[in-house]
Amino acid sequence: DAKTTQPTSMDCAEGRAANLPCNHSTISGNEYVYWYRQIHSQGPQYIIHGLKNNETNEMASLIITEDRKSSTLILPHATLRDTAVYYCIVRGVGTDSWGKLQFGAGTQVVVTP
Amino acid sequence: GAVVSQHPSWVICKSGTSVKIECRSLDFQATTMFWYRQFPKQSLMLMATSNEGSKATYEQGVEKDKFLINHASLTLSTLTVTSAHPEDSSFYICSARSEVGTQYFGPGTRLLVL
Repeated sequence: DAKTTQPTSMDCAEGRAANLPCNHSTISGNEYVYWYRQIHSQGPQYIIHGLKNNETNEMASLIITEDRKSSTLILPHATLRDTAVYYCIVRGVGTDSWGKLQFGAGTQVVVTP
Repeated sequence: GAVVSQHPSWVICKSGTSVKIECRSLDFQATTMFWYRQFPKQSLMLMATSNEGSKATYEQGVEKDKFLINHASLTLSTLTVTSAHPEDSSFYICSARSEVGTQYFGPGTRLLVL
């Protein structure tokens, strides 16, 4: 599965949108982009995933560039509870098979009042 | 989202004893579950893939005889840390994969070996 690159950390003001970038320049055609987050001392929480179209759910929006080499996770109105490490993971999906979720270092997001 | 539980949430044991951790998918069936380990200030490391009704597949460097995995049903996988030592102290997290491929994670089990 393709490797991803994320900033080590970023700060965000409460109530503002948080835009988390992720580079995955070696992504291949059957690989999805997944986002998870891990709040301190808890298990990771699934946020969203996508292949090539932009996706939105109740938690966030995922914007994938047309060449699929990068993506941005958008938390529309950050709250203090969104403080966490955010992981961008690329995983292959094939017929009747899925790749493994391998975690990198992620981005430590701190939401400040 | 789907719910995955783990039990116990934390355990303290003496060196040399074995510890069993349970992982359950509460509202969906999971033919495949995963076990991860996380040391302080580090990311999650995949230890093994647990397949219902068959042997687990271990990642390179993970001792299969030390970390026994049993996936006896579509909703339960267990990880047994045999003859635990202080260096096995860690945060163990399981994950269950849904039919559409999304993985949901449990809350984790913190193991401290004295």
